[in-house]
Amino acid sequence: EVQLVESGGGLVQPGGSLRLSCAASEFTFSSYEMNWVRQAPGKGLEWVSYISSSGNTVYYADSVKGRFTISRDNAKNSLYLQMNSLRAEDTAVYYCALRGELDYWGQGTLVTVSS
Amino acid sequence: QLVLTQSPSASASLGASVKLTCTLSSGHSSNAIAWHQQQPEKGPRYLMKVNSDGSHSKGDGIPDRFSGSSSGAERYLTISSLQSEDEADYYCQTWGTGIRVFGGGTKLTVL
Repeated sequence: EVQLVESGGGLVQPGGSLRLSCAASEFTFSSYEMNWVRQAPGKGLEWVSYISSSGNTVYYADSVKGRFTISRDNAKNSLYLQMNSLRAEDTAVYYCALRGELDYWGQGTLVTVSS
Repeated sequence: QLVLTQSPSASASLGASVKLTCTLSSGHSSNAIAWHQQQPEKGPRYLMKVNSDGSHSKGDGIPDRFSGSSSGAERYLTISSLQSEDEADYYCQTWGTGIRVFGGGTKLTVL
């Protein structure tokens, strides 16, 4: 069964940086496009970023454009999200999810941006 | 602009059926959508993909009580024989080149 396991969350000060990882297993990771989705406390789901299967094409939500960078290492079956210039409003649980329809989700990792 | 609209809340009795609605914005009525369930204090879980022709494909282990359908720009999730564990937030979601969009979610209360 498809497994996605996020890690790297934690407490960071405003303006700081954090790198999230998503370890994939039990499927051919290199064949699938991937996404990051987040959920702020008490709020709905918000798509953050997309990356194609090869890594050549990426897209971002306007709220993170210029601050976040999505990448992947198909040899390591891993997806990443580099988050810079973090703001309080970036506080959320971050999930990695598969394909356009997001048919598999990880369990999430909590990012808290606070001084 | 691609927007999905959901009612904020719905309720139905234990053992009854409920139909949740997701409406696609103008010009996007042919989009497929996905339904996701989020139980309290848990992560989202993919339920199914619903196409514009009403056909749907469910995720792994999703019970037969869950079904999808379509009419025009509306996409539906019907849950029959409601159980207590169906009390959750339900999100519809669609996708296109360079974008994924979520509806605001419907909080379902099982009475």
